[in-house]
Amino acid sequence: EAGVVQSPRYKIIEKKQPVAFWCNPISGHNTLYWYLQNLGQGPELLIRYENEEAVDDSQLPKDRFSAERLKGVDSTLKIQPAELGDSAVYLCASSPVPGGYEQYFGPGTRLTVT
Amino acid sequence: SQQGEEDPQALSIQEGENATMNCSYKTSINNLQWYRQNSGRGLVHLILIRSNEREKHSGRLRVTLDTSKKSSSLLITASRAADTASYFCAGGSQGNLIFGKGTKLSVKP
Repeated sequence: EAGVVQSPRYKIIEKKQPVAFWCNPISGHNTLYWYLQNLGQGPELLIRYENEEAVDDSQLPKDRFSAERLKGVDSTLKIQPAELGDSAVYLCASSPVPGGYEQYFGPGTRLTVT
Repeated sequence: SQQGEEDPQALSIQEGENATMNCSYKTSINNLQWYRQNSGRGLVHLILIRSNEREKHSGRLRVTLDTSKKSSSLLITASRAADTASYFCAGGSQGNLIFGKGTKLSVKP
């Protein structure tokens, strides 16, 4: 069984530029999460999807971050414009059932904003 | 925001020794989970303990949960060099996980 796929693995951009991250969850997993992980910290939830509906986006900085999950499968997280403080690892995770049960994480995208 | 704190922040032991990591959390939870993260990789689920359970075992892992103290501990017995990683606890509530800051474990051969 293929795991959660994320791309790109690394991205370096200049501040004020846009950037997008892509996630393909495990087949059949209806719940999808995007997390931000700063160096030396645990992941922090940005948004949770149940199928194509964003059921919790309370921690997503909506002035510059947006996300979508068309057709309830793949998801894209976008930042526009990027700021220096956005440098972090962006993790995608999926779960077969809602309710905070076991989550399966992708390898993450390491973003560096210069 | 982080759920709580892991203690210690870093732990260095010799292969074969036991490693104990503690976690405190702030809010009410339905379950508490432990994850491992190798450097530059995603997190891997290790074990889940429900709020009505006090202790759970899985192979070399033993997890305890004390909801009255809002704390949990993870014990790894007979550690191996391959156990070197960061370990995170995460409180599950209302469909989400809130992670702690993690304990960085180094197991020396």
